[in-house]
Amino acid sequence: EVQLLESGGGLVQPGGSLRLSCAASGFTFNNNGMSWVRQAPGGGLEWVSTISHIGSTKYADSVKGRFTISRDNSNNTLYLQMNSLRLEDTAVYYCAKGTIASAIDPWGQGTLVIVSS
Amino acid sequence: EIVLTQSPATLSLSPGERATLSCRASQSVGTYLAWYQQKPGQAPRLLIYDASNRATGIPARFSGSGSGTDFTLTISSLEPEDFAVYYCHQRSNWPITFGQGTRLEIK
Repeated sequence: EVQLLESGGGLVQPGGSLRLSCAASGFTFNNNGMSWVRQAPGGGLEWVSTISHIGSTKYADSVKGRFTISRDNSNNTLYLQMNSLRLEDTAVYYCAKGTIASAIDPWGQGTLVIVSS
Repeated sequence: EIVLTQSPATLSLSPGERATLSCRASQSVGTYLAWYQQKPGQAPRLLIYDASNRATGIPARFSGSGSGTDFTLTISSLEPEDFAVYYCHQRSNWPITFGQGTRLEIK
């Protein structure tokens, strides 16, 4: 069974940084692209970033230059380094298996990031 | 950026009724269109991928159709557990985008 477990969320001040992690199991991690998708409170789904199985990356314009996606295939872990955080980055961040090449599925349970002073 | 517009925003129906949800793309996405269901406090769950293929474990009452710019998710006979928010999603072009969602509520 595929399992994705996010961690690292929390409360951070505007301009601060946070690193999210996603521990993956139940599939061959290094053969799969992975994505981060976020959901603001009461809002819809917004794609954030994707990394292919070989490490090529894509970012939404809203986070480009501030967020960095990476992966550690030896530890089956996906990361999202978030710098220069803004109020509008407040959201639940979901880790998910999949990229533009395949349906995004499944999703982790999400980790909440709150940017507030 | 491909914009996905879902309609209606809210759909009020009773158990046993048929639900028809629409998703329109601002340009063709071929059949690279998926549907997700999300319940409060839960992650989205994949229902339909590539426009018309049911994901593993999804009941046969869920079906998807369409290609190009117009897509439909149909729930043939609503069960109590089907009342949730539904999102469409395209993976035809970067950036990946989602519709704004349709809330299916009990009438």
